[in-house]
Amino acid sequence: QKEVEQNSGPLSVPEGAIASLNCTYSDRGSQSFFWYRQYSGKSPELIMFIYSNGDKEDGRFTAQLNKASQYVSLLIRDSQPSDSATYLCATRNTGGFKTIFGAGTRLFVKA
Amino acid sequence: DVKVTQSSRYLVKRTGEKVFLECVQDMDHENMFWYRQDPGLGLRLIYFSYDVKMKEKGDIPEGYSVSREKKERFSLILESASTNQTSMYLCASSPLPGAGTDTQYFGPGTRLTVL
Repeated sequence: QKEVEQNSGPLSVPEGAIASLNCTYSDRGSQSFFWYRQYSGKSPELIMFIYSNGDKEDGRFTAQLNKASQYVSLLIRDSQPSDSATYLCATRNTGGFKTIFGAGTRLFVKA
Repeated sequence: DVKVTQSSRYLVKRTGEKVFLECVQDMDHENMFWYRQDPGLGLRLIYFSYDVKMKEKGDIPEGYSVSREKKERFSLILESASTNQTSMYLCASSPLPGAGTDTQYFGPGTRLTVL
């Protein structure tokens, strides 16, 4: 079992819709959770991090964390074609140096 | 803005060559990382360093070594390049865990092809 699992996609949504990206993790010691966006041919860039159970909102993005279910998600409201990218979920243990990345979900937003 | 730079965007080498990939960060970060990224496999950690002259093996260190002589510079060395090391190599840096946001900042990547 991979430590961080994501559906590889592609996930296709129409412009203006809500895109829902999901991630599960196996290490119950994980304390920090990250979502990175990676455009084709570019390096990953952080868009959200979340440490506590519940929701965290930043503009059109909402990260949701459920530690009991070992599940983290990213919602993108009012999806735009510029949101088309691969989204990487990542986790880290408390005090740990290593961040574990999922393989990513490709998102296509159709104009 | 944090800036992480890598010495080359594209590199073509021959099997058996010694290859050096250099990474420099300008934010005085303690931690630096080398990953490789392959389709369907995501980012895999090769080595990381949490201080000058300190290094730790990641998940796939075989065939690689690293050097960190100065805080801002972290080098990845392929002692004898092989075709299965053809990949995208990404360097990243981050502050110590707990030092505010502990996000990793990535360099632009080096696409290495070994013929």
